[in-house]
Amino acid sequence: LAKTTQPISMDSYEGQEVNITCSHNNIATNDYITWYQQFPSQGPRFIIQGYKTKVTNEVASLFIPADRKSSTLSLPRVSLSDTAVYYCLVGDMRVTGGGNKLTFGTGTQLKVEL
Amino acid sequence: DAGVIQSPRHEVTEMGQEVTLRCKPISGHNSLFWYRQTMMRGLELLIYFNNNVPIDDSGMPEDRFSAKMPNASFSTLKIQPSEPRDSAVYFCASSWTGTGKSEAFFGQGTRLTVV
Repeated sequence: LAKTTQPISMDSYEGQEVNITCSHNNIATNDYITWYQQFPSQGPRFIIQGYKTKVTNEVASLFIPADRKSSTLSLPRVSLSDTAVYYCLVGDMRVTGGGNKLTFGTGTQLKVEL
Repeated sequence: DAGVIQSPRHEVTEMGQEVTLRCKPISGHNSLFWYRQTMMRGLELLIYFNNNVPIDDSGMPEDRFSAKMPNASFSTLKIQPSEPRDSAVYFCASSWTGTGKSEAFFGQGTRLTVV
């Protein structure tokens, strides 16, 4: 599985855009990049997933450069409720791909203040 | 669908007792994961199943831990005998893994306290 590296923590203020970058230098050809969010006392929740270029949904955007060795989760205009831990995962979720293990790293603790 | 359902939500037990955690995955999902989360070790993958078959249990800490998935709609994680260091939040997650893309859905977790 591709190892991921992301900042341990980040601070921001309400209304700002937050960008969290994840490094995954040994990403494999079939790997997808997935981000999860976890609030205290809850299980992780899927945010966004992509393979290359840019993916956008109602919650966030995911930017993936051409070499795919890193990715950036972008949260537009954060609020206090976005305070959470954000995990970057890389893997091939197909049954035979081995990435099925869905292994989480240490994540990035985002703290949003007024 | 009600999502992934775990029971109990909280469990307090004495050291040496047997503990059984239960999970009902989302209907139609073919993969199921058991995790343990503590402040010190973060979110650890214990075991995962695909089509009810255990694929990788390398994360199971000791022989005291065992997991079963008798059918597609039910799984258990058993600790026997339990120890104080097993105190943690245990999460179950399920997903459909048939293509490269996948989304895992997590239950609310079981907070286990062993005294």
